[in-house]
Amino acid sequence: QVKLLQSGAALVKPGASVKMSCKASGYTFTDYWVSWVKQSHGKSLEWIGEIYPNSGATNFNEKFKGKATLTVDKSTSTAYMELSRLTSEDSAIYYCTREGPGSSFDYWGQGVMVTVSS
Amino acid sequence: EIVLTQSPTTTAASPGEKVTITCLASSSVSNMYWYQQKSGASPKLLIYSTSSLASGVPDRFSGSGSGTSYSLTINTMEAEDAATYYCQQWSSNPPTFGSGTKLEIK
Repeated sequence: QVKLLQSGAALVKPGASVKMSCKASGYTFTDYWVSWVKQSHGKSLEWIGEIYPNSGATNFNEKFKGKATLTVDKSTSTAYMELSRLTSEDSAIYYCTREGPGSSFDYWGQGVMVTVSS
Repeated sequence: EIVLTQSPTTTAASPGEKVTITCLASSSVSNMYWYQQKSGASPKLLIYSTSSLASGVPDRFSGSGSGTSYSLTINTMEAEDAATYYCQQWSSNPPTFGSGTKLEIK
C-alpha cells in the first residue's frame, strides 16, 4: 500500500532554516510527482510546489519561490523540502502528497508541524 | 490565481440527511477535486476529475458540476462524515484550494 512517512515536528528560531523529509513506499517513487502543501493553523491549504523524482524537475507557487527548496534522494525514495529564513508566518503543518489521477493529490503524508519561535 | 469560494462555511446535518456543498471558481475550470479532512488528520481524496470516486470512498459521496460551479453531495449523512471538506482545482497554476466547509453531525 502507498505510504508517505514524514519526519517529526520541528521547533526552530526565526531566521533559521528547517529541512523535512517524506519517505515513499508502496509504489515506484520515480513515476509520480510529489507536491508539498502548507496548512496554517485552522486554515485552508496552500500548494507550495512539486518535484518529479525521476528528473528532479521542480515547479513552484510564486509565493514560495525563494522560501522553499525541493530535492529528492532516489536511492531511498525520499523527498525533502527545506524552508529558509523562517518567520512566524511559516509556522504551520506541511504535508507531502503524491499527485494522482487527473490533477489530484491522492496520497498524503501525516504532516510535519513546524513552529517558529525564539 | 483562481479563487475557490465554498458554501456554506459551516453546516450540520442529521443522520440520513442529504448534504450538498458548493464550490464556485473565479474563472472557469475543467475539473474539480474534493478532499475530506477529519480533526487532527491529513486530507483524504474523495472525488477526482469532478465526479470520479477515489478508491475506497463510499458511494454515498458524489460530485458534479462544470465551468465555475461544482458541488459535492453526501446522499445520506453518517456520523463518520463529520469533517471539513475542501475543493481544489488545477486547471491553471498554481493549484488552489477552497477555504473549506465544516460539516457537523446533529
